[in-house]
Amino acid sequence: NAGVTQTPKFQVLKTGQSMTLQCAQDMNHEYMSWYRQDPGMGLRLIHYSVGAGITDQGEVPNGYNVSRSTTEDFPLRLLSAAPSQTSVYFCASSMGQNTGELFFGEGSRLTVL
Amino acid sequence: TQLLEQSPQFLSIQEGENLTVYCNSSSVFSSLQWYRQEPGEGPVLLVTVVTGGEVKKLKRLTFQFGDARKDSSLHITAAQPGDTGLYLCAGNNFNKFYFGSGTKLNVKP
Repeated sequence: NAGVTQTPKFQVLKTGQSMTLQCAQDMNHEYMSWYRQDPGMGLRLIHYSVGAGITDQGEVPNGYNVSRSTTEDFPLRLLSAAPSQTSVYFCASSMGQNTGELFFGEGSRLTVL
Repeated sequence: TQLLEQSPQFLSIQEGENLTVYCNSSSVFSSLQWYRQEPGEGPVLLVTVVTGGEVKKLKRLTFQFGDARKDSSLHITAAQPGDTGLYLCAGNNFNKFYFGSGTKLNVKP
């Protein structure tokens, strides 16, 4: 009954450090996506993928990289963290595309000092 | 720039009152969804509306999609403390979901 699993839940980085936020889903969903949530801003799409080997940019892709080598996993990489990337990050997956329900993980809270 | 504007941003009401949350955009969406989010958790889907003019009811919650598929509303009848949370609308076009900034609802007993 795992659904969408995100790790880590909390992370503190120094400016310039790199890290990877992990996201895994066990529902065999083709569509996966990453969002960041900032106070008063709702959720903003960073990157998304419609299947293994296919990724595309969302609203706010700068400073983030993704890859999709398997259906299950969709990691988000920060190559050189900046304080502006302090946020709560959510991974979500979906069966369908235009009308499919997004299933979210519990979020990863990242602080960049 | 937010593609979807939600109003109001904050709403604090007494148990039993009715309320309406609005979600407006200048863009047309192929579908619109409403999610509810509790602190420390990810959003959970409440409803998806697809057809212009569509109205969906979920117990005390009524959702409407505008005729032009640019706006939506969520009406809650006789709000209860369990309705407290952050309500988010999300429009979908070509695999991209755009979320509104959210309405934080507090229902006092």
